Amino acid sequence: GAVVSQHPSWVICKSGTSVKIECRSLDFQATTMFWYRQFPKQSLMLMATSNEGSKATYEQGVEKDKFLINHASLTLSTLTVTSAHPEDSSFYICSAPQGDEQFFGPGTRLTVL
Amino acid sequence: AQRVTQPEKLLSVFKGAPVELKCNYSYSGSPELFWYVQYSRQRLQLLLRHISRESIKGFTADLNKGETSFHLKKPFAQEEDSAMYYCALATGNTPLVFGKGTRLSVIA
Repeated sequence: GAVVSQHPSWVICKSGTSVKIECRSLDFQATTMFWYRQFPKQSLMLMATSNEGSKATYEQGVEKDKFLINHASLTLSTLTVTSAHPEDSSFYICSAPQGDEQFFGPGTRLTVL
Repeated sequence: AQRVTQPEKLLSVFKGAPVELKCNYSYSGSPELFWYVQYSRQRLQLLLRHISRESIKGFTADLNKGETSFHLKKPFAQEEDSAMYYCALATGNTPLVFGKGTRLSVIA
């Protein structure tokens, strides 16, 4: 099946710094990608929908200035956590649809000290 | 609005016992329903979908539109089935709506 990768898989940063997470569809094109956040022992929460060539659509309560999304090409979407704080520590997962199926990346664990 | 409910946070069963992970949904249209599994330290992966009506790793799930349920079942649990299981609903090419997940623990 289709493969979605994420980079990095794990990142530790200092409070106040920005972190960029990449999501790539390796063998298919994705005009849309989805970014989820997963708190410990909780389910996935949709943060935003990334659209190639246009602005991302954010879910209610998600700060678009804090979580910058750029869908640079048909195979790459990036999520930048700006001025990260400890409460941003979480597991971030992207997915890309192909047909009527979703393919998930392995996730990125962000730890903000 | 679409909603997926998994009433059990944790389900513990003995090896060889039957397993049923419950999932109920609310959606007025015709849903696409999925079960995803996340083994420890691994990526989320698709276990099965109601459209294909297949059995993966011995698991099956039947969509019951009358009861708006999509329960996941396996007749004989194995230790390697221990994982987090997420029921999810999709309406076409849209983000999945996930349930809160159920952690299955199979005891030897």
